[in-house]
Amino acid sequence: GIQVEQSPPDLILQEGANSTLRCNFSDSVNNLQWFHQNPWGQLINLFYIPSGTKQNGRLSATTVATERYSLLYISSSQTTDSGVYFCAVVSYSGTYKYIFGTGTRLKVLA
Amino acid sequence: DGGITQSPKYLFRKEGQNVTLSCEQNLNHDAMYWYRQDPGQGLRLIYYSQIVNDFQKGDIAEGYSVSREKKESFPLTVTSAQKNPTAFYLCASSILSGSRTDTQYFGPGTRLTVL
Repeated sequence: GIQVEQSPPDLILQEGANSTLRCNFSDSVNNLQWFHQNPWGQLINLFYIPSGTKQNGRLSATTVATERYSLLYISSSQTTDSGVYFCAVVSYSGTYKYIFGTGTRLKVLA
Repeated sequence: DGGITQSPKYLFRKEGQNVTLSCEQNLNHDAMYWYRQDPGQGLRLIYYSQIVNDFQKGDIAEGYSVSREKKESFPLTVTSAQKNPTAFYLCASSILSGSRTDTQYFGPGTRLTVL
């Protein structure tokens, strides 16, 4: 099956710094999503981005489907950005299945 | 408000008991999913359903069962056969549209502890 790898596994930033999170996947996919899991466990949608580039405030994402990777950019990080960031891809083999990466754990220090 | 609700938020169970976790959505989504998350780990797919009265096993279905009698409801039963059921359980839903599936939305989760 499709493998999804995220890097780095852990990241510590000072407030105001920028960062780039990476998601590599091993086969072509139908779509790709980025999520933020807050300290209470809630998964929040950030981007639905099977290809191209999207921006939402301080966050932006780029997926290059032909090269099988996606990047999540966080600019001017804030302490509220802390948590775990997951990417998930969808594979189709008769039915649709979401496959999650192992996540990047981000801590932003004040 | 539109969204996905899960209940209860916290659940304690004695070993050997079955327990059912509730998941309801009012988003009119076709597909629903159950995931398990262990501390410090990613999400693993337990079961998923794309239409009423039909569901498929995910990667870790052993010891779990589901039903999909209504479009808006997808309860998960953790049976006594599940050897290590203590975990955080997340329910999700998404639209299916032709040859693709759309954004997946998550409920707030249920934390199950086996005593």
